[in-house]
Amino acid sequence: AQSVAQPEDQVNVAEGNPLTVKCTYSVSGNPYLFWYVQYPNRGLQFLLKYITGDNLVKGSYGFEAEFNKSQTSFHLKKPTALVSDSALYFCALTNAGKSTFGDGTTLTVKP
Amino acid sequence: DTEVTQTPKHLVMGMTNKKSLKCEQHMGHRAMYWYKQKAKKPPELMFVYSYEKLSINESVPSRFSPECPNSSLLNLHLHALQPEDSALYLCASSQELRRNEQFFGPGTRLTVL
Repeated sequence: AQSVAQPEDQVNVAEGNPLTVKCTYSVSGNPYLFWYVQYPNRGLQFLLKYITGDNLVKGSYGFEAEFNKSQTSFHLKKPTALVSDSALYFCALTNAGKSTFGDGTTLTVKP
Repeated sequence: DTEVTQTPKHLVMGMTNKKSLKCEQHMGHRAMYWYKQKAKKPPELMFVYSYEKLSINESVPSRFSPECPNSSLLNLHLHALQPEDSALYLCASSQELRRNEQFFGPGTRLTVL
């Protein structure tokens, strides 16, 4: 069985500050890990992925994520938060064709 | 064209109606997906097609019937739905089934009365 946990329902940061959205996973075998963002009344939008290789992955809109195998984590980060980053963020794990999503974290960036 | 399109955007149907949701992509992707999403919740996988063949069916009730007429199109046929089936239905596609990111459509907001 595979699972994804996003321990924080809500993350609040001030504009200009760094942000982190946490994700941990459980899977047997090598994980394929993804971050998606969802704006209200829209579909999910791909941000970045880890398949293999470098543990620091860079993605769209200045986001990056760090894969840590020993801690089974894949935290999403951004050095400088923007108000427009406010949205619902999902971490996802794909294994054998099945994608499992975390429960999501609502990020609010305040001016 | 890097877009997944879904029609209709909104659908209201009674419990005895038959309707269909449509999804289209022209990115040459060989895997296509249907998800159900309730408000503020993660998408729940329903069906996966790989190379136009049904690859995964997540024990979805038979009142939902998927169809993949060709590599660009994915339909979801609805019949005798229940009010609890009201949700946002998302279609997605990816290059291949295993390790590629998914491109999502904007969804169809379904309300069952």
